[in-house]
Amino acid sequence: DTAVSQTPKYLVTQMGNDKSIKCEQNLGHDTMYWYKQDSKKFLKIMFSYNNKELIINETVPNRFSPKSPDKAHLNLHINSLELGDSAVYFCASSQGGTSGAITDTQYFGPGTRLTVL
Amino acid sequence: GQQLNQSPQSMFIQEGEDVSMNCTSSSIFNTWLWYKQDPGEGPVLLIALYKAGELTSNGRLTAQFGITRKDSFLNISASIPSDVGIYFCAGRYSSASKIIFGSGTRLSIRP
Repeated sequence: DTAVSQTPKYLVTQMGNDKSIKCEQNLGHDTMYWYKQDSKKFLKIMFSYNNKELIINETVPNRFSPKSPDKAHLNLHINSLELGDSAVYFCASSQGGTSGAITDTQYFGPGTRLTVL
Repeated sequence: GQQLNQSPQSMFIQEGEDVSMNCTSSSIFNTWLWYKQDPGEGPVLLIALYKAGELTSNGRLTAQFGITRKDSFLNISASIPSDVGIYFCAGRYSSASKIIFGSGTRLSIRP
């Protein structure tokens, strides 16, 4: 009965490859997010989707393309992977969307550790 | 852009001691959040604060929303081994804006 799940947990790949990370939430939330956590544990938002529509895009390179087939899923596809893409990527979800209820809080998945060689 | 300064960066304390950490912002926030991240896991929300001056407890944890709306602190009383982890403050300046995270405080405990 995992609330927010991500696959894979670990991803090791060569520079230049294309890879995808999948995220699913069974909380019935309207909004989903992708965060990147670097080696210093700094956590920064990348994207936010509300009911399958993009609402936040934080100057992330075009090589990163999120896709939300339905409001329970938000996948992240990365093209032409670079060394600097190595990080832990967290998916999160929350109730409330662009109107942003003041009690909005986010539930995080377990993370996907991406290593680019 | 907005920045959150969290201190200390790390703490190494004796079991049973009280812990205090804080966060300051360059801008006014209307929501302050405190998360804990265990190794290999995602952050988990501990306490959410919505009003200046608000003091909220969650078991041995107490957090306050600063009067200036630019700071918050988290206290942990009588620390135990399972308190080990990284604590993040986070804030948002409006109900529709993104959440900004602090750089984290790594807590380690001597048994």
